Amino acid sequence: QKEVEQDPGPLSVPEGAIVSLNCTYSNSAFQYFMWYRQYSRKGPELLMYTYSSGNKEDGRFTAQVDKSSKYISLFIRDSQPSDSATYLCAMGGGRRALTFGSGTRLQVQP
Amino acid sequence: ETGVTQSPTHLIKTRGQQVTLRCSSQSGHNTVSWYQQALGQGPQFIFQYYREEENGRGNFPPRFSGLQFPNYSSELNVNALELDDSALYLCASSLGGSSGNTIYFGEGSWLTVV
Repeated sequence: QKEVEQDPGPLSVPEGAIVSLNCTYSNSAFQYFMWYRQYSRKGPELLMYTYSSGNKEDGRFTAQVDKSSKYISLFIRDSQPSDSATYLCAMGGGRRALTFGSGTRLQVQP
Repeated sequence: ETGVTQSPTHLIKTRGQQVTLRCSSQSGHNTVSWYQQALGQGPQFIFQYYREEENGRGNFPPRFSGLQFPNYSSELNVNALELDDSALYLCASSLGGSSGNTIYFGEGSWLTVV
């Protein structure tokens, strides 16, 4: 079993929809949780960074962490075609390197 | 732009050859990590350098080696290339050796082994 599980998709939604992306994890040592966006053949771009349970909002993006359930989510409101990309969750703790999910491919249809 | 630059952007090598990939970290960042991302997968941690010392390594064989220089730039060397080494190699920089520090990725080096 992988330490971090992420549905690979693809997830196809119409423009303006609310998108929900999720990851589950098994290692209680993870303390930091990140979401990266990766466009095709590009490096990952940091979107959100959280280190505690609860919600964090930044513009159209909301990151949610539930440590008791070992579950994290990223919500995208008013999705745009430019949001079409692969979304990677990543987790770390202490001196551990980041562990990534396999990524969810999102397609927002105009 | 993250300020992390990698070279070359693309290269093709033959099985058994050796390759060196280079990375310049964001100004002021003293920690560099290298990740391998196979097609359709998330990045996998190779190793990390903090102040010129390796301070963490993932599940990669010794033919993957690295260096960090006094200016905090870094190299990833891979010997005896195998077909499965074909991937996007990502360099990431941060300030400090903990994963709690925000890390920023470069655009990567695409390696194809034929």
